[in-house]
Amino acid sequence: NAGVTQTPKFRILKIGQSMTLQCTQDMNHNYMYWYRQDPGMGLKLIYYSVGAGITDKGEVPNGYNVSRSTTEDFPLRLELAAPSQTSVYFCASSKGNIEQFFGPGTRLTVL
Amino acid sequence: AQKVTQAQTEISVVEKEDVTLDCVYETRDTTYYLFWYKQPPSGELVFLIRRNSFDEQNEISGRYSWNFQKSTSSFNFTITASQVVDSAVYFCALSRGFGNEKLTFGTGTRLTIIP
Repeated sequence: NAGVTQTPKFRILKIGQSMTLQCTQDMNHNYMYWYRQDPGMGLKLIYYSVGAGITDKGEVPNGYNVSRSTTEDFPLRLELAAPSQTSVYFCASSKGNIEQFFGPGTRLTVL
Repeated sequence: AQKVTQAQTEISVVEKEDVTLDCVYETRDTTYYLFWYKQPPSGELVFLIRRNSFDEQNEISGRYSWNFQKSTSSFNFTITASQVVDSAVYFCALSRGFGNEKLTFGTGTRLTIIP
């Protein structure tokens, strides 16, 4: 039981490049989330999903896209990377209002 | 709108001292959930506790205790006899009732335990 896994762990992008952050959970959780954590700040919700095929925006969705074709996977797509997207990205999953299980994070730098 | 305020940005205490981390929240919901997470220097997020709005009983888990007071909209976290391993950033978070599980996080309190 691996929990929530994220790849890659680190990535450096040039301005204008695109990439997909991968997130997979093996706990059969319906709910999945993407957060970003800027230095010295709390986590802010980018997108979330309540089940396969259903996604919705969070607090800071601009510049990102998501899809949820399976229960296990919830990839986050960055189009046209900008320096403001430099952050640590966390994926999480839950069964509802119990604890959210977080992945180890992806540290992204956009130069 | 929901809001979580952790006014203490950084706290340093000497090992074995007790320390309390403050959390004040704002919500218009009558049903909500409060959480504490720990983020050690390694960066992962570790769940510590969840409380629902109908349960104001204080909770103790080893050296950790939590004081939930709806009258002051606070959910404070106390570490007794602190240890160096307690050094981390601690986040308080709030979610709405069932069916709306998105977490609103505070900005965190960085706790440093001095040996």
